[in-house]
Amino acid sequence: EDQVTQSPEALRLQEGESSSLNCSYTVSGLRGLFWYRQDPGKGPEFLFTLYSAGEEKEKERLKATLTKKESFLHITAPKPEDSATYLCAVRGNDMRFGAGTRLTVKP
Amino acid sequence: NAGVTQTPKFRILKIGQSMTLQCTQDMNHNYMYWYRQDPGMGLKLIYYSVGAGITDKGEVPNGYNVSRSTTEDFPLRLELAAPSQTSVYFCASSRTATETQYFGPGTRLLVL
Repeated sequence: EDQVTQSPEALRLQEGESSSLNCSYTVSGLRGLFWYRQDPGKGPEFLFTLYSAGEEKEKERLKATLTKKESFLHITAPKPEDSATYLCAVRGNDMRFGAGTRLTVKP
Repeated sequence: NAGVTQTPKFRILKIGQSMTLQCTQDMNHNYMYWYRQDPGMGLKLIYYSVGAGITDKGEVPNGYNVSRSTTEDFPLRLELAAPSQTSVYFCASSRTATETQYFGPGTRLLVL
């Protein structure tokens, strides 16, 4: 069965303190890996799609990378407005979501 | 473009009542999905549709029904509401099966 595990569950950073979020997956035939940002009380907002190992994508302070077993979301010099829950999802035969990493960035 | 819209935003149901959650998208996407999100859990797929007139079950379909008469609309029907259906429900759409899914703002449902 396809599975997605995100770690850590929660992460507290000081403003400017860079870190990485992990998404480990097992899937029979990866057809895409997706990162979303979710703010409290709102729907997930699309960040990145990665389709093959070695692929990288960047947007402002965020960079997503992909290997055959996991993906990382690197956050460089985060700001308080980056505080949110970050969701990872993999598309195999269907779409499976991880439980998310709740990121808090303190000023 | 409004994207994906959902109504209502919040609803309280009594056990045994029924209701329909509405979802509309204006991106002309073929694929539409319904998920539920429980605290500390990932989103779980309830039902999906690959086009008007075609629907299929996801991971957690029991207690729910869907229909897709148009490209734009994908309502989710809850029959005989149970406390276990207390959750936040999200509708999403995508152009193809492997492209990005875009989500609505969600409907928070409380069954008492």
